[in-house]
Amino acid sequence: GNSVTQMEGPVTLSEEAFLTINCTYTATGYPSLFWYVQYPGEGLQLLLKATKADDKGSNKGFEATYRKETTSFHLEKGSVQVSDSAVYFCALSGAGGGNKLTFGTGTQLKVEL
Amino acid sequence: DTGVSQNPRHKITKRGQNVTFRCDPISEHNRLYWYRQTLGQGPEFLTYFQNEAQLEKSRLLSDRFSAERPKGSFSTLEIQRTEQGDSAMYLCASSQRAGEYTEAFFGQGTRLTVV
Repeated sequence: GNSVTQMEGPVTLSEEAFLTINCTYTATGYPSLFWYVQYPGEGLQLLLKATKADDKGSNKGFEATYRKETTSFHLEKGSVQVSDSAVYFCALSGAGGGNKLTFGTGTQLKVEL
Repeated sequence: DTGVSQNPRHKITKRGQNVTFRCDPISEHNRLYWYRQTLGQGPEFLTYFQNEAQLEKSRLLSDRFSAERPKGSFSTLEIQRTEQGDSAMYLCASSQRAGEYTEAFFGQGTRLTVV
């Protein structure tokens, strides 16, 4: 079946540091890939998505590129802010899994001044 | 606020009791999903509706769990004879079927604690 593996947290960075959160997936066919974010006390929000190989999703300074050859969708941001502190989830849908989302375990990011 | 609404936000129940949660999706959305999230894990799919039809159920959804969406609008998730292992955050999401992919919008969840 489909699965998503992402790096364990927590990840603690200083403000303005570079962020990478690794995500790899296992799926048959060609899934759509997503990053969701959960800020403290709030629901899950879609951060960015990519629906086919080599697509780059981007939003709020975050980027991720759909790499079919390495089955990866790593999240990056060039300069993090304290307000980026949240839990980040990598997810996929499709590829024989229908419309549902398959999530990774989440990575907590803490950004300090 | 026109987002996905879930009630109650928190529920504490004794083992063996039945509980019911409600989800009100975004009004024009015809797809509705239920997920369960335990501490330190990502959400796991439970079931999904398109309008009033329940189109898919996870093997995680034991026969103690039942979900309905009677008029294709709000949905309820009932857990009968709750067990301590049912303690989790129950998330609802909705989306509008249109083309290849549409974003799913999540509610804030109902946190269930079984004591």
